[in-house]
Amino acid sequence: AQTVTQSQPEMSVQEAETVTLSCTYDTSESDYYLFWYKQPPSRQMILVIRQEAYKQQNATENRFSVNFQKAAKSFSLKISDSQLGDAAMYFCAYRTKGNRDDKIIFGKGTRLHILP
Amino acid sequence: DTGVSQDPRHKITKRGQNVTFRCDPISEHNRLYWYRQTLGQGPEFLTYFQNEAQLEKSRLLSDRFSAERPKGSFSTLEIQRTEQGDSAMYLCASSRGLVYDEQFFGPGTRLTVL
Repeated sequence: AQTVTQSQPEMSVQEAETVTLSCTYDTSESDYYLFWYKQPPSRQMILVIRQEAYKQQNATENRFSVNFQKAAKSFSLKISDSQLGDAAMYFCAYRTKGNRDDKIIFGKGTRLHILP
Repeated sequence: DTGVSQDPRHKITKRGQNVTFRCDPISEHNRLYWYRQTLGQGPEFLTYFQNEAQLEKSRLLSDRFSAERPKGSFSTLEIQRTEQGDSAMYLCASSRGLVYDEQFFGPGTRLTVL
């Protein structure tokens, strides 16, 4: 069974600084998807960024980028130029690539605080 | 496109009562998913539908839980004989069901069992 581990329950970063959230996962599959989701307080979860395992190039979405290390099964999220609106729970997540097995497996999350 | 909606947003019930939640997916989304999120945890998969067919159920979905999507549009999740351990946020998501397609999440229904 696949597992996702986030070892940082909470992190803080000064506004405009850069922060990196860590994630490791375990799987025996060779091709899969990895995600970072953001869940703001009392608001719905949204997809921040996704990575396909067979793609070696790290995904980037504006101020958000990932460091995907497939051999190490590591998938960290870097947020550059942190903004107050980035404060939220961030979940690392995994999905197998088969269309039938469509569930997402989430880590426990990291609560990110942005300090003004 | 108004997004995934869930009703009610909050539900307080007494132990032993039955509760039912509703999820309306994004229009024309074929797949609909239910997740449960307890305090301090990430969401855990419960079940999902392709149109009206329930394709997968987690072992977390005990026999007190039942989910339906009778016409392939909205879905309901019923919990019978609620227990305090059922207190959680119940999240619904939908997708077009294509390979690979993003799951869009609703705001959730927060259940408190007293």
